[in-house]
Amino acid sequence: QKEVEQNSGPLSVPEGAIASLNCTYSDRVSQSFFWYRQYSGKSPELIMSIYSNGDKEDGRFTAQLNKASQYVSLLIRDSQPSDSATYLCAGDTGTASKLTFGTGTRLQVTL
Amino acid sequence: DTGVSQDPRHKITKRGQNVTFRCDPISEHNRLYWYRQTLGQGPEFLTYFQNEAQLEKSRLLSDRFSAERPKGSFSTLEIQRTEQGDSAMYLCASSFLMTELFFGEGSRLTVL
Repeated sequence: QKEVEQNSGPLSVPEGAIASLNCTYSDRVSQSFFWYRQYSGKSPELIMSIYSNGDKEDGRFTAQLNKASQYVSLLIRDSQPSDSATYLCAGDTGTASKLTFGTGTRLQVTL
Repeated sequence: DTGVSQDPRHKITKRGQNVTFRCDPISEHNRLYWYRQTLGQGPEFLTYFQNEAQLEKSRLLSDRFSAERPKGSFSTLEIQRTEQGDSAMYLCASSFLMTELFFGEGSRLTVL
């Protein structure tokens, strides 16, 4: 099992809808998780971090962590075309803050 | 702008040549990371420094790769005798104790 797994997509949602991005992780990954957004040809940009079980909201973004199910998700409300990008889930493997990334989910927000 | 800076942004080289990338982290950050990313994949960890000490290297980092951070500020990543498989985006990131990494714009390497 990969340490951090994501569905590669593409996930297509209409403008204004909620986009739900999911990520599962293995036992080797500890309890800190991060969502990065990456536009084509650009570098990853940190958008959310979550350290404890439950929900964390920041503007249109909500990160959810369920440690029992080893599951992390990112909800984007009122999706905009500018949200179209690849979303990378990353977990801290516990070794000096080294992050392990999933392969990313490509999100397409359609007009 | 006080973000992570990488240079050069693009490098095209012939197989067998040596290349060097430079990274200037956010000034107050004491940790510096190098990652490599190929098309369709997430970034893969290569190595990291805390101040000037290189504390961990991935097994992905062959003997042809070497990284330094001589004074705990900027870092260089050198690839000797480049191979076509080295073609990738090389990403530098920095952090201050916490796990949140902030990436630079990356250095894209193309080996012909």
